[in-house]
Amino acid sequence: DQQVKQNSPSLSVQEGRISILNCDYTNSMFDYFLWYKKYPAEGPTFLISISSIKDKNEDGRFTVFLNKSAKHLSLHIVPSQPGDSAVYFCAASAWGGSEKLVFGKGTKLTVNP
Amino acid sequence: GAGVSQSPSNKVTEKGKDVELRCDPISGHTALYWYRQSLGQGLEFLIYFQGNSAPDKSGLPSDRFSAERTGGSVSTLTIQRTQQEDSAVYLCASSQTGVGNQPQHFGDGTRLSIL
Repeated sequence: DQQVKQNSPSLSVQEGRISILNCDYTNSMFDYFLWYKKYPAEGPTFLISISSIKDKNEDGRFTVFLNKSAKHLSLHIVPSQPGDSAVYFCAASAWGGSEKLVFGKGTKLTVNP
Repeated sequence: GAGVSQSPSNKVTEKGKDVELRCDPISGHTALYWYRQSLGQGLEFLIYFQGNSAPDKSGLPSDRFSAERTGGSVSTLTIQRTQQEDSAVYLCASSQTGVGNQPQHFGDGTRLSIL
């Protein structure tokens, strides 16, 4: 049972345009959501997070939106840059216990010059 | 360096051998996690350490897997009698408190290949 789903394995956008990466979850106990970026042969790098008490969090070019009723979150990157090309993972955790992260399978973003 | 450090970066071994993977968390981080990423999959939780509390071992796939964390810092993940399905990238992460809303920071992983 996949609790965090990233239904698009890949996404291709032009430099300067907006990239929108989507993530759906099934576990209503999740209350903290994160996006990680991963380059080949490197570990995931933390990008941005959002708590369930918010519906939007912004950091520079990156904005995460959370729709709790739809159990959906998205990451917007604007403007997209070629250096943003990487695999993006959505992750979620539930309050209490270990706060272990449950990850989606990732979306490979390619930003074309 | 200030990040999570893992060694070795790559390990190739024969089926049936034991392997030991090491993780040095970020200094001051009390929570330490192990995950693994198999080919084409997302990251899968293995085990969690927080201070002196009993570890959460709920993600370990079999009793061939074990982990220790000595002195609240360095951790080792041991896989006994390795099987081909153990081939994956093993990632370690640490976070500041392990108490909600603290991002986990990852090392670059150990790529384990079982021949």
